[in-house]
Order: sequence, then structure tokens, then C-alpha cells
Amino acid sequence: NAGVTQTPKFRILKIGQSMTLQCAQDMNHNYMYWYRQDPGMGLKLIYYSVGAGITDKGEVPNGYNVSRSTTEDFPLRLELAAPSQTSVYFCASTGSGGPETQYFGPGTRLLVL
Amino acid sequence: GQQVMQIPQYQHVQEGEDFTTYCNSSTTLSNIQWYKQRPGGHPVFLIQLVKSGEVKKQKRLTFQFGEAKKNSSLHITATQTTDVGTYFCAGGGGGATNKLIFGTGTLLAVQP
Repeated sequence: NAGVTQTPKFRILKIGQSMTLQCAQDMNHNYMYWYRQDPGMGLKLIYYSVGAGITDKGEVPNGYNVSRSTTEDFPLRLELAAPSQTSVYFCASTGSGGPETQYFGPGTRLLVL
Repeated sequence: GQQVMQIPQYQHVQEGEDFTTYCNSSTTLSNIQWYKQRPGGHPVFLIQLVKSGEVKKQKRLTFQFGEAKKNSSLHITATQTTDVGTYFCAGGGGGATNKLIFGTGTLLAVQP
């Protein structure tokens, strides 16, 4: 199993540009999450999904959108990039809603100039 | 909203010294998880505590969950250079979503 994969690894965007961060998992996990991690800080939940077709906002959803058309994929969309969105983005998944390990992808480093 | 704080933010130790990081939640937690993130890497799960007063050990690491389920600690005995990284606690509020609130993290530096 590849686990949780994310693409791209690194991206530079200009202010106002759009992009989609890809996340996929091959563990048949129902629950998936998007976090952002600013330098020297903890992780903040952006959006999460409890299954295909179901998504909900986390702590810091503004400026982002998500979709979950399949169990495997959970892309994160930035519509109008702003410097405040410069961060490292992690996708994670877990198998159930109970207290359980979250498996993280390797992250996408985004720089908005 | 719910907050999870960790202290210290940074700790520098000599190899062989002990290390402890403390985690405090503003609300009662259903469970607490600990993750380690190596520099430039992603968080990796270490352990989960669910019961009030629970203590778990993994080799040189000892994890505790407070009686009131609002605080937790991670203690490393005789640190090694491989222990370098940021240690995060993450509190689960219960419910059906397994959402976690991550602490601010403690960066551990170990000097050989």
C-alpha cells in the first residue's frame, strides 16, 4: 500500500492564481482531513470528509474548497491564492469515526508571492 | 473554541538527558494522541490514550493522560539524537468524525 499520497510536493503561486492540491489514499478509509501547518506552529483543520459525497468545514476553511467524489480522493482547491495561504498542507485519513490513528501524507509546500 | 496548548515550545538537551512535554486542553477530551514530526517530514502517530489516568510506555517514552482528561504528558528517558523532532499532542473531542485539535508542539533538539 502506498498509504496517503499528495501532489505536488512543492508549488509557487502568484497572488490571485488558483490550484488544486491532490490527495489520495489506498487504505479504503472513509475519513479524510486537510490540515495546514504554518512555520513553527501546530496543524489547523481546514476541511474534512466522513465519506464520499460528504464534506464539512474545519477550523480555518476560508479561501478553500473541497470535494469527495470517491472514497480514495480528497482534493483541496484554492481559488484566489493569497500570501496568507503560504503554508505546508497535509492530508490525512483514518478508517473510522472512533478514536483512531490518522495517517498523514508527505505534505505539499505552497508559497504564494 | 477548544484549544490545546503545549509547553515548552522548544527544548534543547544533551544526549542522555531526560525530556518532558506537557499538553493542556481547555475542555475535557475523549482521547489524546501523540505524534512525532521529524524536520521536513509529516506527523507520525506514536500512541493513543483513552482512559482517565492512563499510563503507557514505549521503550524510553512514557505517556500519561490526566485524571480529568484535560492534560497529558510525554516523557523521554535518556534522549538520543534520533529523538529530534517536534512532538504534538492532539485531543479528540469524541463524536463520529475523529476530528483532532492539535497542540502547538514542542521542538526537541538533542546535542550529541
